[in-house]
This record gives sequence, structure tokens and C-alpha cells, in this order.
Amino acid sequence: RKEVEQDPGPFNVPEGATVAFNCTYSNSASQSFFWYRQDCRKEPKLLMSVYSSGNEDGRFTAQLNRASQYISLLIRDSKLSDSATYLCVVFTGGGNKLTFGTGTQLKVEL
Amino acid sequence: SAVISQKPSRDICQRGTSLTIQCQVDSQVTMMFWYRQQPGQSLTLIATANQGSEATYESGFVIDKFPISRPNLTFSTLTVSNMSPEDSSIYLCSVATMGTNEKLFFGSGTQLSVL
Repeated sequence: RKEVEQDPGPFNVPEGATVAFNCTYSNSASQSFFWYRQDCRKEPKLLMSVYSSGNEDGRFTAQLNRASQYISLLIRDSKLSDSATYLCVVFTGGGNKLTFGTGTQLKVEL
Repeated sequence: SAVISQKPSRDICQRGTSLTIQCQVDSQVTMMFWYRQQPGQSLTLIATANQGSEATYESGFVIDKFPISRPNLTFSTLTVSNMSPEDSSIYLCSVATMGTNEKLFFGSGTQLSVL
């Protein structure tokens, strides 16, 4: 089993739609969780951290479920500019290690 | 955040040659890392670049193949040695600015193609 697993997609959604991605992780000792965004042929950029209580940043909402070992990202009112690959990233303090998922591709269409 | 300049942005190289990738940061950072991202794959950590000492390599990566320099707190290089087509990948420099490596900032990457 991979340490961090994501549905690769692509998710093709119309502009204005709401879309959600899930990511599961295998190490129960994982401490911190992040979503990164990567545009085609570009470097990954931190989108948001994920906190146990859930957190929201504009149209983006991230949630963590420790019991089931998954995190989610919800995007409301999708824009064309949201088209990108979204990387789930898990930090394990014991190994001081970041593990990246392979990413979920989102395509927002007119 | 940090501004990271990475070069070259892309290169096409012949089998058996070596390429050195440079990473310059606009501020002093404690932690610098080199990642590889092969097509359709997740980012894989190659090594942590340590200032003033040998880099710390992850499993599957060795110094002879990927020598790394870190002469100061703002600069590092990664060399891909004796290249083969399997080394074709994107190589990314990254830094952590908050004392832990939880939140990373990446350079723009080097797209390497080996013929």
C-alpha cells in the first residue's frame, strides 16, 4: 500500500461546479497535512494546510479525518483557473519526512 | 516565503554526460532539498543538502550518482552524473523557511531529457 494515495483523475467539471478530492495515508503517526497545487510544467505551490478542525480559505475547504486516515479538499464555484493537479502531502515528524501523493488532476471546463 | 532561482530550466543531454543544476535562494535558509518528479509520478526526495557537510541521501540515491554541494545558506547544486535515459525527469530544488520541513517552497524546476 502506498503511503499516500490519491485518485489520479482527471476530474472534468463545468465552471461553477463543486468538486471534492480525497487522499488517504497509511502512517497513523503522521502529524501534518497539506494540499499543494501544481500547474502543468510548473513547480508545486502550497495551497493550504489541513487542520483537525477543518479549515477554509475562500472557495477552498480542507478537512482531516484522523480516525479514517484521510484528508479532503473541497473546491466550490470552480473557476477555469483552478485547473491543475492537486497534491496531497503528509508530514511524519518521527522521520522528519514529507510524502507526496501522485496528485489528482482537475480540469474545469466552460 | 522565499524566492528561489533554479537553472537551467531545461536541458537535453547525451547519455554518459553529467549536468549540474543550480539553486539560488534570496535569503538564508537552513533546510534545502532536492526532489525528482518523473512523468506521472509523485515527488521523490533525493537528498537533503546540508551546509558545510555531506548531503543526506534517501534510500535509492547515492552520492556518486547525485553529488550535491551546499557551500553556504543560500546556494546549492545537484549534479546528475553519467546520465542515462532513466534519469529523464524534472528536478526540483526546495527550501523550508519555518524551522521544519513541513512547508516547502520550490524552485521552478529543471526539465531534463537524456537521449
